[in-house]
Amino acid sequence: AQKITQTQPGMFVQEKEAVTLDCTYDTSDPSYGLFWYKQPSSGEMIFLIYQGSYDQQNATEGRYSLNFQKARKSANLVISASQLGDSAMYFCAMRGYYEKLTFGTGTRLTIIP
Amino acid sequence: NAGVTQTPKFQVLKTGQSMTLQCAQDMNHNSMYWYRQDPGMGLRLIYYSASEGTTDKGEVPNGYNVSRLNKREFSLRLESAAPSQTSVYFCASSEAKSLSGQGITDTQYFGPGTRLTVL
Repeated sequence: AQKITQTQPGMFVQEKEAVTLDCTYDTSDPSYGLFWYKQPSSGEMIFLIYQGSYDQQNATEGRYSLNFQKARKSANLVISASQLGDSAMYFCAMRGYYEKLTFGTGTRLTIIP
Repeated sequence: NAGVTQTPKFQVLKTGQSMTLQCAQDMNHNSMYWYRQDPGMGLRLIYYSASEGTTDKGEVPNGYNVSRLNKREFSLRLESAAPSQTSVYFCASSEAKSLSGQGITDTQYFGPGTRLTVL
């Protein structure tokens, strides 16, 4: 079975600073995908970024990048130049080839002006 | 393009009542999913439908039934609601893409959620 672990229940970051949200995973599938979702206070789940297990380069989407370290089984989300609108819950998730999407318990990020 | 829509947005039920949560997607995706989100537990998969005409149990299916009405619509039914089913329910859809020699990827896109309270 696959497992996702997010060890930071909450983080406070000064506006304009970079922030790293931690995510580690465990799976026996040879091929898998890693995802990050954002859930603002309004409640919707917003897809941010995807990383495939065979991708050679770290995924980037605008201010978001995924620091993928396969040997360490980590898939940290990096947000550069944080903004007040980045305050939200962030969920890491993974999908193994033979499994469905599994979510971590989330990290609540608060950006301080 | 509305993406994934869900109705209702909010619902309060009494124990033992039944209701159906509706979900529709306009992205022509084959796969659809129902999740529940409880405080501190992330999202857990209730049921999913890999394609029209098929449904399968997820991690927490007890107390729920689903119907894949057509490619667009996937409903979740609570036959006899219990307080333990108080939660936020999300519907999602995705389209699996095969990556040559690298398995598959499918990004799930979520609806706005339904907040259900069972008294």
